[in-house]
Amino acid sequence: EDQVTQSPEALRLQEGESSSLNCSYTVSGLRGLFWYRQDPGKGPEFLFTLYSAGEEKEKERLKATLTKKESFLHITAPKPEDSATYLCAVPGLIQGAQKLVFGQGTRLTINP
Amino acid sequence: DVKVTQSSRYLVKRTGEKVFLECVQDMDHENMFWYRQDPGLGLRLIYFSYDVKMKEKGDIPEGYSVSREKKERFSLILESASTNQTSMYLCASSWADRIYYGYTFGSGTRLTVV
Repeated sequence: EDQVTQSPEALRLQEGESSSLNCSYTVSGLRGLFWYRQDPGKGPEFLFTLYSAGEEKEKERLKATLTKKESFLHITAPKPEDSATYLCAVPGLIQGAQKLVFGQGTRLTINP
Repeated sequence: DVKVTQSSRYLVKRTGEKVFLECVQDMDHENMFWYRQDPGLGLRLIYFSYDVKMKEKGDIPEGYSVSREKKERFSLILESASTNQTSMYLCASSWADRIYYGYTFGSGTRLTVV
């Protein structure tokens, strides 16, 4: 069974304090890993797709990396506007449709 | 800009009512999905559809049904709303053969059943 586990559940940082979020997965043949950002009361917003181990993607203060067993979302010198829940997901495969299996998310709070 | 539009941001319904949540996408995506999101439980798949008139149960289909009469529209129906269906409902869509683009989500509908 495809499973995605994110840690920590919640993380509080001071503005400018860099850190990393973890996403570990068990899949039967990785077909990509996705990172989303979700603001309170809104739908998730796509950030990155990582398709193979060793791949890295960057967007502003965020950098996502991928190994064969896990992905990290590194946040460098975060600002309060980076506060959000970050979700990762991997594709499963069911009867011709493609279902993303989501982790529980990490709720990130950046204090000014 | 590509969009998934959910018809209501907030809804308040009474127990026993039949509730319709509507979702429309303008990206010609084959796949459409309905999730509910609850604190501590994450995103849980209710139903998905990979073609017009095609639907498959997700992880928690009990108490729900869906309708997809047109490619761009996917409706979630609560046959008889109950208080335990109070939740955030999220619609999403994707291409069938380009999963690396991931899903596009709507803004969500916060449903309260009283």
